[in-house]
Amino acid sequence: NAGVMQNPRHLVRRRGQEARLRCSPMKGHSHVYWYRQLPEEGLKFMVYLQKENIIDESGMPKERFSAEFPKEGPSILRIQQVVRGDSAAYFCASSPGGARETQYFGPGTRLLVL
Amino acid sequence: AQTVTQSQPEMSVQEAETVTLSCTYDTSENNYYLFWYKQPPSRQMILVIRQEAYKQQNATENRFSVNFQKAAKSFSLKISDSQLGDTAMYFCASSLYGGSQGNLIFGKGTKLSVKP
Repeated sequence: NAGVMQNPRHLVRRRGQEARLRCSPMKGHSHVYWYRQLPEEGLKFMVYLQKENIIDESGMPKERFSAEFPKEGPSILRIQQVVRGDSAAYFCASSPGGARETQYFGPGTRLLVL
Repeated sequence: AQTVTQSQPEMSVQEAETVTLSCTYDTSENNYYLFWYKQPPSRQMILVIRQEAYKQQNATENRFSVNFQKAAKSFSLKISDSQLGDTAMYFCASSLYGGSQGNLIFGKGTKLSVKP
């Protein structure tokens, strides 16, 4: 059973470009969480999705950030017009259910904005 | 709102010895989960151990065990017979039990170095 997959593992963007981060959950998992880790910090929750639904986006910046988890295909975290402050590691986690289930993390995507 | 506090930014331990990492949390809820995650230099987040707040018995996974004190809102991790591969950042985290919640709240982490 493959684990949570994230790609790309490393992404370099110039200010003003768009970044698309992909997350394929573990087989059988229909719940996806995105977290951001700034240097020397713990992970901060961004958004929680189920298939075709955003359940909780309370941690997501109001502008430039969006997330989706379509019926088919991976979950996508999209950052438009990136700025240097967006440089961070972005982790995706999946679980088979909601709050009562353990979340399993992917390897993360390291975004560097030049 | 939930908060998780790890008061030890860095710790070190000799190989084969025992070390305890501290974590305190604050929540007004009665049902929640607590976790310890490990982040080695590869930066992959790995679940170490999980505790349900309604269970009085402390969780154990091989060399890893917790001391869960619900009244004191304390959740420490004990690593016995430390190994070089235990060198990593360790994050304490909590999540609520029900409703649409489920997102993890993380502490800032403790950097553990195991010395040969």
